Amino acid sequence: DVKVTQSSRYLVKRTGEKVFLECVQDMDHENMFWYRQDPGLGLRLIYFSYDVKMKEKGDIPEGYSVSREKKERFSLILESASTNQTSMYLCASSIGGGLGGELFFGEGSRLTVL
Amino acid sequence: AQSVSQHNHHVILSEAASLELGCNYSYGGTVNLFWYVQYPGQHLQLLLKYFSGDPLVKGIKGFEAEFIKSKFSFNLRKPSVQWSDTAEYFCAVNARAAGNKLTFGGGTRVLVKP
Repeated sequence: DVKVTQSSRYLVKRTGEKVFLECVQDMDHENMFWYRQDPGLGLRLIYFSYDVKMKEKGDIPEGYSVSREKKERFSLILESASTNQTSMYLCASSIGGGLGGELFFGEGSRLTVL
Repeated sequence: AQSVSQHNHHVILSEAASLELGCNYSYGGTVNLFWYVQYPGQHLQLLLKYFSGDPLVKGIKGFEAEFIKSKFSFNLRKPSVQWSDTAEYFCAVNARAAGNKLTFGGGTRVLVKP
């Protein structure tokens, strides 16, 4: 089974703190994604990566950055957390050959910014 | 803006009732279509997908969806729901017109009363 593991299920941070969310997948997938999930808005793509050291902005990249130094690991960084970044963050991966294939999701990281 | 729309945010029904969840998208051209499901406390998982061929696709747990190109729709159906179908359902579309990025609808929360 594909496994996508997110390092923290629940985090509470203060405004202005730097936040790291880690994601690791074990299936040698080329593509990795970060989404945020908010009630009524579905999933919105923050950033994605189709190869090591490559990154592309999604639909809502403002206030976020990412890092992909190794194929299996994709990190989401909030340089200075704000209360409007309180959300559920989902990492996903998919096999290469385009971005349209099935996504495999982690269990999510629920971030609360006070 | 081009988007994916799910018509119902909340659906409540009794066991054995039939379920139909609407999904419409606004992208022209080639599309890949997906339904994902998120059971309470679990990660998102693929329910079914359409890439090409027979527009009526069958997925796991008795779900099916029909792609109607002329209506830009991909509605999800199940003839007889069970309490265990209580979940949130997300329609997603990957379109070349959207840069091959997967776009999700806002989700529909389904509650099946025992």
